[in-house]
Amino acid sequence: EAGVVQSPRYKIIEKKQPVAFWCNPISGHNTLYWYLQNLGQGPELLIRYENEEAVDDSQLPKDRFSAERLKGVDSTLKIQPAELGDSAVYLCASSSTSGRGEQFFGPGTRLTVL
Amino acid sequence: AQSVAQPEDQVNVAEGNPLTVKCTYSVSGNPYLFWYVQYPNRGLQFLLKYITGDNLVKGSYGFEAEFNKSQTSFHLKKPSALVSDSALYFCAVGGGSYIPTFGRGTSLIVHP
Repeated sequence: EAGVVQSPRYKIIEKKQPVAFWCNPISGHNTLYWYLQNLGQGPELLIRYENEEAVDDSQLPKDRFSAERLKGVDSTLKIQPAELGDSAVYLCASSSTSGRGEQFFGPGTRLTVL
Repeated sequence: AQSVAQPEDQVNVAEGNPLTVKCTYSVSGNPYLFWYVQYPNRGLQFLLKYITGDNLVKGSYGFEAEFNKSQTSFHLKKPSALVSDSALYFCAVGGGSYIPTFGRGTSLIVHP
């Protein structure tokens, strides 16, 4: 069974530039999560999807961040414009059972904003 | 609001010795508790979970965790540590919000 796929693995951009991250969850997983992980910290939830509906996006900085999950499968997280403080690892995870089930994480995208 | 505390930034243990990584939690209602492991430049990998039932939960790679409701703890344990167990370990709690909250992580270092 293929795991959660994320791309790119690494991204270096200048501040004020846009950037996008892509995630392909495990087949059949209805719940998809985007997390931000800073160095030395645990993952912090940005947004959670149930199928194509964003059911929790309270932690997403909506002035610059946006996300979509078309057809309830793949998802894209976008930052526009990027700021220096956005440098972090962006993790995608999927689950077959929201909340009570284990999550399967992708390898993450390490973003560096210069 | 739910929260998780991992009081130790780092745990050092000799190979072959038992290990314990501590976790305490706060949540309204019945907790759903998880342990994940993260190797360098990798995503988190599920180890085990407690939803209900026996307080001692067995998981992957010989790890187990003990749920203690009175102490609101969910410590991760392994009887005999391996050098390959060296990694970052995260405890997470979920509750009625269905959104798991992760701890800051504990770096486990197993010395040969």
